[in-house]
Amino acid sequence: AQTVTQSQPEMSVQEAETVTLSCTYDTSESNYYLFWYKQPPSRQMILVIRQEAYKQQNATENRFSVNFQKAAKSFSLKISDSQLGDTAMYFCAFMKHGSGTASKLTFGTGTRLQVTL
Amino acid sequence: DTAVSQTPKYLVTQMGNDKSIKCEQNLGHDTMYWYKQDSKKFLKIMFSYNNKELIINETVPNRFSPKSPDKAHLNLHINSLELGDSAVYFCASSQQGRQTQYFGPGTRLLVL
Repeated sequence: AQTVTQSQPEMSVQEAETVTLSCTYDTSESNYYLFWYKQPPSRQMILVIRQEAYKQQNATENRFSVNFQKAAKSFSLKISDSQLGDTAMYFCAFMKHGSGTASKLTFGTGTRLQVTL
Repeated sequence: DTAVSQTPKYLVTQMGNDKSIKCEQNLGHDTMYWYKQDSKKFLKIMFSYNNKELIINETVPNRFSPKSPDKAHLNLHINSLELGDSAVYFCASSQQGRQTQYFGPGTRLLVL
């Protein structure tokens, strides 16, 4: 079974600064997908970024980028130029490659990020 | 133009009651999911349907019964509600072969 660990329950960053959220996972699969989802106080789950394990290049989406280290099973999220609207819970998630029963997301316990003035 | 919608958004009920939560997606996806988020914010898969067929059924009490009348709808019926069922229930959808799941706004269930 896969497990996802987020070791930082809470983090704080000042507006315009950069912050990195950590995520490690455990799997015996060689092909899989990794995701970061954001859950603001509105409760909505919003996809931030995704990474395919077979791609060596780290994914980026505007101010959001990941550092994917496959050998170390590490998938950290870097938020640059933090904005007040980035205040949210951030969840790291894992999905096996394949369809059917493989398609479930396994989530970490989340990191609560507070962006301050 | 809501992509994944859930009704109701809030549900307060007494122990022992039976309740349903409805989910609809207009993305044309063929796979839908139910996730449960507990009081500590932990999210866990409950069920998944692909083209109206149950494909994922995690260890969930059989008081929970999903029903998919068509590809665009996935409902969750809960019998004999217990205090521990209090949680936020998220519906999500995806297209088979594409990994990104799109979530609904969640239904906060409070059992008194």
